[in-house]
Amino acid sequence: GDSVTQMEGPVTLSEEAFLTINCTYTATGYPSLFWYVQYPGEGLQLLLKATKADDKGSNKGFEATYRKETTSFHLEKGSVQVSDSAVYFCALSDSGSGTYKYIFGTGTRLKVLA
Amino acid sequence: DVKVTQSSRYLVKRTGEKVFLECVQDMDHENMFWYRQDPGLGLRLIYFSYDVKMKEKGDIPEGYSVSREKKERFSLILESASTNQTSMYLCASTLSMADTEAFFGQGTRLTVV
Repeated sequence: GDSVTQMEGPVTLSEEAFLTINCTYTATGYPSLFWYVQYPGEGLQLLLKATKADDKGSNKGFEATYRKETTSFHLEKGSVQVSDSAVYFCALSDSGSGTYKYIFGTGTRLKVLA
Repeated sequence: DVKVTQSSRYLVKRTGEKVFLECVQDMDHENMFWYRQDPGLGLRLIYFSYDVKMKEKGDIPEGYSVSREKKERFSLILESASTNQTSMYLCASTLSMADTEAFFGQGTRLTVV
């Protein structure tokens, strides 16, 4: 079945450091890929998305490129801020079974230190 | 403003009770989902529904059932609550298309004692 695998956290970085959070997936069809963010005490919200191979999603300085050959969608940011401290979830939506099931990874907690 | 509303923010129930968690969306979305969120395990899909009266099991359906009698409402039922069902439960909805955003409710923190 469909699945999403994320790197385990927590990830602790100093402010202005480079961030990479790895995400790989398996899917039966041609999925769309997403990153969601959950700030402390808040619900999940969409950060960025990509719908086909080689697409790059971007938002708030974060980027991720849909790599079909490596089945990956790694999240990157060039310079993190304390306000980026949150839990990040990789997700996919796949119509392989005829319905659009939405699957999430386990989440990666990011802590940015001033 | 789009909205997914879960009926309770916090619930405390006793072992063996039948528990109903309700979710309502006002966006005319076809798909609705129930997840549970546990530390270190992320969001795990319990059930989802792609149409009225239609449902499909997720990864961890054991001990749960669902009901979708109307398009806007999706209920999660714990037939006989157990302590290992203590968790945060999240409801979400989406349109029935590939690149659609999932909209989440605020979550229900269920404690089974």
